[in-house]
Amino acid sequence: GENVEQHPSTLSVQEGDSAVIKCTYSDSASNYFPWYKQELGKGPQLIIDIRSNVGEKKDQRIAVTLNKTAKHFSLHITETQPEDSAVYFCAASMRGGADGLTFGKGTHLIIQP
Amino acid sequence: DTEVTQTPKHLVMGMTNKKSLKCEQHMGHRAMYWYKQKAKKPPELMFVYSYEKLSINESVPSRFSPECPNSSLLNLHLHALQPEDSALYLCASSSVPGANVLTFGAGSRLTVL
Repeated sequence: GENVEQHPSTLSVQEGDSAVIKCTYSDSASNYFPWYKQELGKGPQLIIDIRSNVGEKKDQRIAVTLNKTAKHFSLHITETQPEDSAVYFCAASMRGGADGLTFGKGTHLIIQP
Repeated sequence: DTEVTQTPKHLVMGMTNKKSLKCEQHMGHRAMYWYKQKAKKPPELMFVYSYEKLSINESVPSRFSPECPNSSLLNLHLHALQPEDSALYLCASSSVPGANVLTFGAGSRLTVL
């Protein structure tokens, strides 16, 4: 089955600085890579996703890059704000997601004021 | 309505009790999922329903019994649980089986005494 590794487990950045979270996946058949944000006491919320036929996608302060050859994808958050503090999970899926998502272990992002 | 609603938000039960978790969505989604999330861990897939039929059971113990009475509802019946089953139980849905984008509910936090 698919295995997703995520680093770092904790990331502390100054407000206004950028944050980068990295994930690798094991199965070259994976074709969809979402990022979820989970705040305390809430369910995961999709913030951005990318498919295997695209190398980069951006949505305002958030961007995701994908390197299929290296089986590596990353989340980039610029101009971080206090409300960005949360746990972020990367995930990967095959077969169009019919088998559900395989999640990384999560990154606790802390924005220091 | 773009939400997945889960009830109850919190549940405390003894090991001999029988209880149920409920999940509802009115987005017309035809795939629904149960995930289990332990503290500081990623969500783990338990069950997948496609067009109201169970398509994936990730070797979940029989003390967890899912049910999908119609396309909008998903239940998880609980019986004879163990303390290690205490976790956040997340429901999710996607438009069709194989569609990647999952929408999660806020979860039901279960404590087994």
